[in-house]
Amino acid sequence: TQLLEQSPQFLSIQEGENLTVYCNSSSVFSSLQWYRQEPGEGPVLLVTVVTGGEVKKLKRLTFQFGDARKDSSLHITAAQPGDTGLYLCAGDNNDMRFGAGTRLTVKP
Amino acid sequence: DAGITQSPRYKITETGRQVTLMCHQTWSHSYMFWYRQDLGHGLRLIYYSAAADITDKGEVPDGYVVSRSKTENFPLTLESATRSQTSVYFCASSEYPDSPLHFGNGTRLTVT
Repeated sequence: TQLLEQSPQFLSIQEGENLTVYCNSSSVFSSLQWYRQEPGEGPVLLVTVVTGGEVKKLKRLTFQFGDARKDSSLHITAAQPGDTGLYLCAGDNNDMRFGAGTRLTVKP
Repeated sequence: DAGITQSPRYKITETGRQVTLMCHQTWSHSYMFWYRQDLGHGLRLIYYSAAADITDKGEVPDGYVVSRSKTENFPLTLESATRSQTSVYFCASSEYPDSPLHFGNGTRLTVT
């Protein structure tokens, strides 16, 4: 059983559409990180959220940490083909644990 | 260039053989980690190290051995490889335990 459940597992959309992916857990985390991974490479950090209810924006990406610090969401506005990749959330629970990821494909 | 380097990039080995995956970082980060990535499971922590000569088990440590004699190196050894250890292995480092992780580009290991 994954400590962090990500949904959906796969998502295929057209360029210009909006989307939201989720990262849920029954555990409370001191912080939660979002990474993006491209084929043949290691994950690269996008953002860290620390405070319950926190919202962070990174251009067209909006990250939210749940009030109870158990879940998080990533919203992408007007998705572009360059957003294609595997999006991973990771929570600090004595050590850093990852969800299985959401594989996003944005078609031109 | 500063960064984290894994070698080899690809490795094919036979069941029962010993194989060592190398990881080297140039940031002098205290923390180093080994993860394996498999479809449907995401990244699972194998071992981590808080400093030289200090290592701890992660989520899936069985069949693996690590050492950390120097801060910059964190090799992962499969003492007797099994087919279930076919995976992509990622090494990562961080300055503090909850700091962002910096990953290498992975080693794709196939055990036949």
